[in-house]
Amino acid sequence: DAKTTQPNSMESNEEEPVHLPCNHSTISGTDYIHWYRQLPSQGPEYVIHGLTSNVNNRMASLAIAEDRKSSTLILHRATLRDAAVYYCILCTDKLIFGTGTRLQVFP
Amino acid sequence: DAEITQSPRHKITETGRQVTLACHQTWNHNNMFWYRQDLGHGLRLIHYSYGVQDTNKGEVSDGYSVSRSNTEDLPLTLESAASSQTSVYFCASSESVPEGNTEAFFGQGTRLTVV
Repeated sequence: DAKTTQPNSMESNEEEPVHLPCNHSTISGTDYIHWYRQLPSQGPEYVIHGLTSNVNNRMASLAIAEDRKSSTLILHRATLRDAAVYYCILCTDKLIFGTGTRLQVFP
Repeated sequence: DAEITQSPRHKITETGRQVTLACHQTWNHNNMFWYRQDLGHGLRLIHYSYGVQDTNKGEVSDGYSVSRSNTEDLPLTLESAASSQTSVYFCASSESVPEGNTEAFFGQGTRLTVV
């Protein structure tokens, strides 16, 4: 399974946009890029996924580089509830988690 | 509403005992997964199943087993519990659409302590 690299932690202020980066230089053509987040004491929660094109949903946007070797999860206006660990995962049939990025949101 | 439930939510057991953690989903998903998460770490895949009678080993399968007799359930059994298996266990399920092009739904977790 191809690996991803994410910063250990990031900080944001409430109501500001947040860009969470992910590098995946060994991605294969069939790997989907998934993002999940895990709030304290909860199970992971699906955020968004994509293959080649940028994706938007009610929670976030996913920007995928043209060569697919990196991607960015965009939270348009961070709230305190967005404080969580965010996992970037390459998936063909199962999710293999890395260590993720811990996002802190300050009032 | 469809859901995925794990039971029990908390369990304390003794070293050497057999323990079974339950996972039940009502989405009729073919794919089911078991993960463990240790303090300060990400989730590690234990076992997974793509359908009834199908089971596969994940990254950390030693000491664990699963069986899939129906679509809704994937129980995880610790054959002889060890202190190293103290962890939080998460179950997940997903549709078997084109591989990778689907979201997974996770349970709330089972906190297992082996003393």
